[in-house]
Amino acid sequence: QITLKESGPTLVEPTQTLTLTCTFSGFSLTTNGVGVGWIRQPPGEPLEWLALIFWDNDDRYSPSLKHRLTITKDTSNNQVVLTMTNMDPVDTATYYCAHIVYGTSSLDFWGQGTLVTVSS
Amino acid sequence: DIQMTQSPSTLSASVGDRVTITCRASQSITTWVSWLAWYQQKPGKAPKLLIYKASTLESGVPSRFSGSGSGTEFTLTISSLQPDDFATYYCQQYDKFPYTFGQGTKLEIK
Repeated sequence: QITLKESGPTLVEPTQTLTLTCTFSGFSLTTNGVGVGWIRQPPGEPLEWLALIFWDNDDRYSPSLKHRLTITKDTSNNQVVLTMTNMDPVDTATYYCAHIVYGTSSLDFWGQGTLVTVSS
Repeated sequence: DIQMTQSPSTLSASVGDRVTITCRASQSITTWVSWLAWYQQKPGKAPKLLIYKASTLESGVPSRFSGSGSGTEFTLTISSLQPDDFATYYCQQYDKFPYTFGQGTKLEIK
């Protein structure tokens, strides 16, 4: 059974760096084709794809946010970490991580999401 | 980036109705398969995958949901609306990075 769970601060101040951790079980990020992605959703707004990292360390980013994002994986602890620098109130959103197998079904298992508010 | 445009933005329907949501991509997302997924999202919940590769039903999803299309135009059809189906639906392309979502279609009770 695949599960994912996001963790991190619920409140960050403007200009700070956000660090979110996705802890997963039921799969390995050493398996060929497997990846974990991050998606966010501001309140009342659509989903926005942020970043993705694959089993082979191939990482991909939203071009508009690439300069602020870093995604890394810790296969021994079954975690994927997303950092976003220079946070702004417009970055207030629920942040989700999700499982993907390249070339198959896209984002098939999702975490519950974590709401991050950016405010001073 | 590939832009995904859904229509309508809001859809009012009744239990038992057949409804169709359209998703258009700004360029073709079909090679040997169409890299298009549909998700259902309810308030306060994570999206749930319904359909992938444009027409393949995810395991456990009721058969009243179906997807079709190729190239740049795709549809999600619910054959007979059930009370549990009132939610927001998103399409997403995963042909090219960055993977992009449509703006969503909110399905409301008439």
